[in-house]
Amino acid sequence: AQSVSQHNHHVILSEAASLELGCNYSYGGTVNLFWYVQYPGQHLQLLLKYFSGDPLVKGIKGFEAEFIKSKFSFNLRKPSVQWSDTAEYFCAVTTSGTYKYIFGTGTRLKVLA
Amino acid sequence: SQTIHQWPATLVQPVGSPLSLECTVEGTSNPNLYWYRQAAGRGLQLLFYSVGIGQISSEVPQNLSASRPQDRQFILSSKKLLLSDSGFYLCAWSVLPGARTGELFFGEGSRLTVL
Repeated sequence: AQSVSQHNHHVILSEAASLELGCNYSYGGTVNLFWYVQYPGQHLQLLLKYFSGDPLVKGIKGFEAEFIKSKFSFNLRKPSVQWSDTAEYFCAVTTSGTYKYIFGTGTRLKVLA
Repeated sequence: SQTIHQWPATLVQPVGSPLSLECTVEGTSNPNLYWYRQAAGRGLQLLFYSVGIGQISSEVPQNLSASRPQDRQFILSSKKLLLSDSGFYLCAWSVLPGARTGELFFGEGSRLTVL
């Protein structure tokens, strides 16, 4: 069965620090990958997505993610975080030919001003 | 543009009572519809999904059921709630995965507290 692992459950950073959140999935076929963000009190929204092509994907608010097929990974990065990036971040995977989107357990990021 | 409505936003129910959470999508046809439960530290757990009217796939056997009586309506139900049913329930929709627009769009969520 498909699964998604997010190893960092809680991350605390100071403003301007660099961010990398890990995401690994278990599926050997063609995958579509997503990062979602949930700001406090708000609904889940898409940060970025990967379907095919360039494995380095750029999303909103300066976020990017790199798909490394050999490592089954899709890590999220941001060079310099802001206080407003405080949120919970979820990695998700779906596979071609299925309708299921499987999510990781999430990473809570707190950015200190 | 497409929108998704989910209600009620908050619900407090006694153990053993029935449940009905509703979700409707506007501005699209034939969406794939999903119910997730979000719990702290456990991410989003897929409960049910539907690819068409009357077609329901259950991912986790439990005290809940889902129905899709109309193309853009998805209902989460229970005949008798348990304490363990407490949580934050999210409805979502998508077009066919794998397409360029195959992302999930989420509703605002319904917080259920079972006492």
